[in-house]
Amino acid sequence: KQEVTQIPAALSVPEGENLVLNCSFTDSAIYNLQWFRQDPGKGLTSLLLIQSSQREQTSGRLNASLDKSSGRSTLYIAASQPGDSATYLCAVRGDSGGSNYKLTFGKGTLLTVNP
Amino acid sequence: DGGITQSPKYLFRKEGQNVTLSCEQNLNHDAMYWYRQDPGQGLRLIYYSQIVNDFQKGDIAEGYSVSREKKESFPLTVTSAQKNPTAFYLCASSIGQGAAYGYTFGSGTRLTVV
Repeated sequence: KQEVTQIPAALSVPEGENLVLNCSFTDSAIYNLQWFRQDPGKGLTSLLLIQSSQREQTSGRLNASLDKSSGRSTLYIAASQPGDSATYLCAVRGDSGGSNYKLTFGKGTLLTVNP
Repeated sequence: DGGITQSPKYLFRKEGQNVTLSCEQNLNHDAMYWYRQDPGQGLRLIYYSQIVNDFQKGDIAEGYSVSREKKESFPLTVTSAQKNPTAFYLCASSIGQGAAYGYTFGSGTRLTVV
């Protein structure tokens, strides 16, 4: 059974700092990995999608990497801003048998960027 | 703009009552999903549907029911058999099983038992 772990559970940083959020998964048979952002009481907004054959994806100040063999992904946020404050969720899509429909989520990292 | 619309945003249920959460998408996606989110837990899959008139149970289907009569719509009914329904419910869609595309989520419905 796939399990996804996100570390740290919470992170507080001053504005302008570069930071890294970590995601690990137990089953390397994945189709892709997706990072989401969730603001309080809101739905999920997709940030980056990395296919299993890719090593990284970039969008603006965000960069996500994937090491499928070791079961790890990182989300790098450059020059953090107070507007980046949110919960960041990592999710993997399975690629074995009947599991390739399913996204398995981590519990998220709550990020607070202080002005 | 294409997207997923969930309604209502807030819903209150009395004990023993069935309630239905709406999810509509105009993305022309084949697959649709319902997730439940509780504080301190990751999202958990309730039901999913890959095509019209077909749906499958997820990890926590007990006490829930769904239908998929139209490609655009995937309503979720929370029945009286669901003993702890208070949660945040999220609907999602994707182009299809096996496709190299991500998921799109709606804005959620918060259900509270009163």
